[in-house]
Amino acid sequence: SQTIHQWPATLVQPVGSPLSLECTVEGTSNPNLYWYRQAAGRGLQLLFYSVGIGQISSEVPQNLSASRPQDRQFILSSKKLLLSDSGFYLCVWSRDSRNYGYTFGSGTRLTVV
Amino acid sequence: AQTVTQSQPEMSVQEAETVTLSCTYDTSESDYYLFWYKQPPSRQMILVIRQEAYKQQNATENRFSVNFQKAAKSFSLKISDSQLGDAAMYFCAYRTYNTGNQFYFGTGTSLTVIP
Repeated sequence: SQTIHQWPATLVQPVGSPLSLECTVEGTSNPNLYWYRQAAGRGLQLLFYSVGIGQISSEVPQNLSASRPQDRQFILSSKKLLLSDSGFYLCVWSRDSRNYGYTFGSGTRLTVV
Repeated sequence: AQTVTQSQPEMSVQEAETVTLSCTYDTSESDYYLFWYKQPPSRQMILVIRQEAYKQQNATENRFSVNFQKAAKSFSLKISDSQLGDAAMYFCAYRTYNTGNQFYFGTGTSLTVIP
């Protein structure tokens, strides 16, 4: 069966520090991968998605970047965190199929102080 | 990008009663999928129900059903016989057929179930 791992679960980082959140998927190949952010009291905002190794699409301009160095690995990064980067980050995978649902990671709670 | 609107930030329902959560969306596509996801306090997202846009019949899953009005771009969720375990944040989502098949979510409706 397919599983998705996301870590760390919680993270407290000072303003201006770098960020690296990692997500890996097991039990499938060539998944579509997505990073979402859920800010307090708001919905899920799509940040990046990837349909293959090295292929990254950004939905919104921001202080963050994403990379996909391996087929089942998706990384969210920042060189210098801002207070506004605080939120709950979700990694998601899906098959490249219209009728296939999303499988969500357990999320990372990031607090920038 | 497509937009999804949930106009009810909070809703409440008495246990065993029925509640309807509203969702509207904006798109120029003719084929797409619509979903309702539930996010309990654990934060784990759970698929509740999905609807294919080309199907006129409304989807149902046990106590959960949808009222899909394609022309009006409306997709409401009805929860019958509400249970305490239904208390959660509910997100309406639209899935595009474009490259990436990404989802666009509404801002969510927080549902409280009153015993």
